[in-house]
Amino acid sequence: DVKVTQSSRYLVKRTGEKVFLECVQDMDHENMFWYRQDPGLGLRLIYFSYDVKMKEKGDIPEGYSVSREKKERFSLILESASTNQTSMYLCASTPGQGTGELFFGEGSRLTVL
Amino acid sequence: ILNVEQSPQSLHVQEGDSTNFTCSFPSSNFYALHWYRWETAKSPEALFVMTLNGDEKKKGRISATLNTKEGYSYLYIKGSQPEDSATYLCASEFGGYQKVTFGTGTKLQVIP
Repeated sequence: DVKVTQSSRYLVKRTGEKVFLECVQDMDHENMFWYRQDPGLGLRLIYFSYDVKMKEKGDIPEGYSVSREKKERFSLILESASTNQTSMYLCASTPGQGTGELFFGEGSRLTVL
Repeated sequence: ILNVEQSPQSLHVQEGDSTNFTCSFPSSNFYALHWYRWETAKSPEALFVMTLNGDEKKKGRISATLNTKEGYSYLYIKGSQPEDSATYLCASEFGGYQKVTFGTGTKLQVIP
């Protein structure tokens, strides 16, 4: 069964901490994405990657960075967490050819105190 | 940033009722329209990806239509069941790396 796995379902961090959210896919997909979900705002794209070591900013990249050292792994980094980054974070991947449906992880709910 | 809009934001229906939701999107630079179902505590799952004007897709009791010229899509659920309770997301793909913009979703509650 194909899978996108996010490392943590729930995290609680303090303001100013560095936070890593990890995502791994086992489908050999080219493209990987990080979204955040906030009530009333829908899923918003933070960053995406179309190849190893390649990354592109999405619609709301401020305060985030990403890393893709291996094809199957895409990490979202909050260099200095702030309370307005409290949110649900979703990782997704697509094959890279044609119109690809997104395969999502189960989400990581981050609370920044 | 593309504007993808969904309506209604939420609705409650009785078991057995049929229902439909709307997704509107910019028709310029259109590439594909996606529908996802997101159940509580689970991952969003794809229902349909549609590309052609006039496309209609069906999966069991759920179907969708697409009008790319006027920029809208409808999702229909026939004979709603409690297990259909979820948030339904639409997303417009506008080309390049399969990047999509999501609407805010329609939250459906089916009352037994």
